[in-house]
Amino acid sequence: NAGVMQNPRHLVRRRGQEARLRCSPMKGHSHVYWYRQLPEEGLKFMVYLQKENIIDESGMPKERFSAEFPKEGPSILRIQQVVRGDSAAYFCASSLGQGRGYTFGSGTRLTVV
Amino acid sequence: AQKVTQAQTEISVVEKEDVTLDCVYETRDTTYYLFWYKQPPSGELVFLIRRNSFDEQNEISGRYSWNFQKSTSSFNFTITASQVVDSAVYFCALSESNYGQNFVFGPGTRLSVLP
Repeated sequence: NAGVMQNPRHLVRRRGQEARLRCSPMKGHSHVYWYRQLPEEGLKFMVYLQKENIIDESGMPKERFSAEFPKEGPSILRIQQVVRGDSAAYFCASSLGQGRGYTFGSGTRLTVV
Repeated sequence: AQKVTQAQTEISVVEKEDVTLDCVYETRDTTYYLFWYKQPPSGELVFLIRRNSFDEQNEISGRYSWNFQKSTSSFNFTITASQVVDSAVYFCALSESNYGQNFVFGPGTRLSVLP
């Protein structure tokens, strides 16, 4: 019973390129959350999705960032035209529902050079 | 507004010492959940405990124990007889039942256990 799978584990992009981060939730989980951890900072909520719906994107930067969780396949966090400040660890978590503990993936470490 | 404060940025102890990590939270909700996560040097997030606001019983799990005090809005975490493998960043987090699904994390406390 695999946990939350994130890939790639490490991603290097040049400024201006696009970054795609993938998250496959635990089997049976239909709630997915993305968090960002900037260097020397705690985790900040970005977006909460259920299948085919964005429920809360209050933590997403207004530009260049988007997320989806299609009916089939993993959740994708997409960052267009990356800048150095996007370098961070991006964690995905999934849960069964409200108030339940999350299971986190191992994270994707994005480095923008 | 919900907020989690972990006032201790970094703590260093010598192996076998006991150490307590503080967590103070703010919430307007009467029903909420509190969590602790461990982030070892390898970077993943490891779930340690979940506690709901109606359960003020302290919990012990091996060398770990948690003290939940609603009166002071605190949810402190104690490691007894610390070991080098306990070295990590520890995050306290709050989830409000009516706010939505996102957690608010504290800034984390970096614990270094020296041999």
